[in-house]
Amino acid sequence: DGGITQSPKYLFRKEGQNVTLSCEQNLNHDAMYWYRQDPGQGLRLIYYSHIVNDFQKGDIAEGYSVSREKKESFPLTVTSAQKNPTAFYLCASSIQGMTNTEAFFGQGTRLTVV
Amino acid sequence: AQKVTQAQTEISVVEKEDVTLDCVYETRDTTYYLFWYKQPPSGELVFLIRRNSFDEQNEISGRYSWNFQKSTSSFNFTITASQVVDSAVYFCALSGDSNFGNEKLTFGTGTRLTIIP
Repeated sequence: DGGITQSPKYLFRKEGQNVTLSCEQNLNHDAMYWYRQDPGQGLRLIYYSHIVNDFQKGDIAEGYSVSREKKESFPLTVTSAQKNPTAFYLCASSIQGMTNTEAFFGQGTRLTVV
Repeated sequence: AQKVTQAQTEISVVEKEDVTLDCVYETRDTTYYLFWYKQPPSGELVFLIRRNSFDEQNEISGRYSWNFQKSTSSFNFTITASQVVDSAVYFCALSGDSNFGNEKLTFGTGTRLTIIP
């Protein structure tokens, strides 16, 4: 079945460690996105990519990094520079940007810093 | 700057009642797009509807209906004869004009809807 797969579902990290969240899609979508969800704050855009080997910062990119070496994959690294990384992270993809088409979301990764 | 306000943080209704979720938006773009997404307990967001700024016709899809009013900058969502499966967090979102680089989605803070059996 086509869709977006995020892994792992739950992730624990010690302070000071980098951690990478996986996002894979087999929908042949050009655009991919990472959002962070905190209680009472809705979803905030971290990074997005509209084409392979190109990506742009969103509203809260500090402390995060991404790569887009393959169309299907858009991993997110939460670095030690991210001051408050505990959150729910959602990856999404769409055919061509979110304006003209619906976005498809993965089931999320819940990251907890211990 | 774009902004989406969902003033209702949580709503609880008894099954079979109708319920309306409010969404108010702000944008300076003349071309923009409004969305509703549903987030069930499993976590993923599920697309419900997309409406562009030039189409103010109300839309009905089964038990769901949407009321878009540019005059009040609102895009409200009504569930008729609610069911327990409607329990979820609902997000309203706004996307601006891609010609001006405003195509990213801005989400509201969500409304948690609980349907009581």
